[in-house]
Amino acid sequence: GAVVSQHPSWVICKSGTSVKIECRSLDFQATTMFWYRQFPKQSLMLMATSNEGSKATYEQGVEKDKFLINHASLTLSTLTVTSAHPEDSSFYICSARVEGGLTNEQFFGPGTRLTVL
Amino acid sequence: EDQVTQSPEALRLQEGESSSLNCSYTVSGLRGLFWYRQDPGKGPEFLFTLYSAGEEKEKERLKATLTKKESFLHITAPKPEDSATYLCAVQATSGTYKYIFGTGTRLKVLA
Repeated sequence: GAVVSQHPSWVICKSGTSVKIECRSLDFQATTMFWYRQFPKQSLMLMATSNEGSKATYEQGVEKDKFLINHASLTLSTLTVTSAHPEDSSFYICSARVEGGLTNEQFFGPGTRLTVL
Repeated sequence: EDQVTQSPEALRLQEGESSSLNCSYTVSGLRGLFWYRQDPGKGPEFLFTLYSAGEEKEKERLKATLTKKESFLHITAPKPEDSATYLCAVQATSGTYKYIFGTGTRLKVLA
């Protein structure tokens, strides 16, 4: 149980285009999902908290107009990188917290590798 | 300011050589401390949750312990397949359920 999927697993795009990444909780409902960014040999950096039915909460320094988050259902959150540039190239990982669960751990997706040319 | 520090940054062990990884934390109020394993190019895999000082959890060759200031992940008789980055995260009682991650310990177990 508690499986989280991401799609696509990798994407290559041209500079200036937009890329959408999907995060799904497959066997549980998640009111709250989280989006992280990870650079090589570094830890995870929280970008934003995605709340079902309401606006996402962004961490300090993360451009909300650049990284659009939509949490339209209890099992799906999307991250859209708008007008992507090479510096946006990174490993993006989502996680979800089991709604109504007795514990507070997050379960992570497999990640999406974004390369912007 | 809430903060998590992991040490060492990297660790090389011979197969069978037991050791411990450290996670020191400063948080206004601890809701939970979490250990994850991450393999290269993959998302973190959940290992343990610890909620209060004195608590211990075990899984195969891994054992996690918690005090009021730090947590240890003990690895007993490690095997090469235990090679990974081990991440520690804390959740504060204030506000949301978001994590504060440490920088991780990269473990390499040599056959």
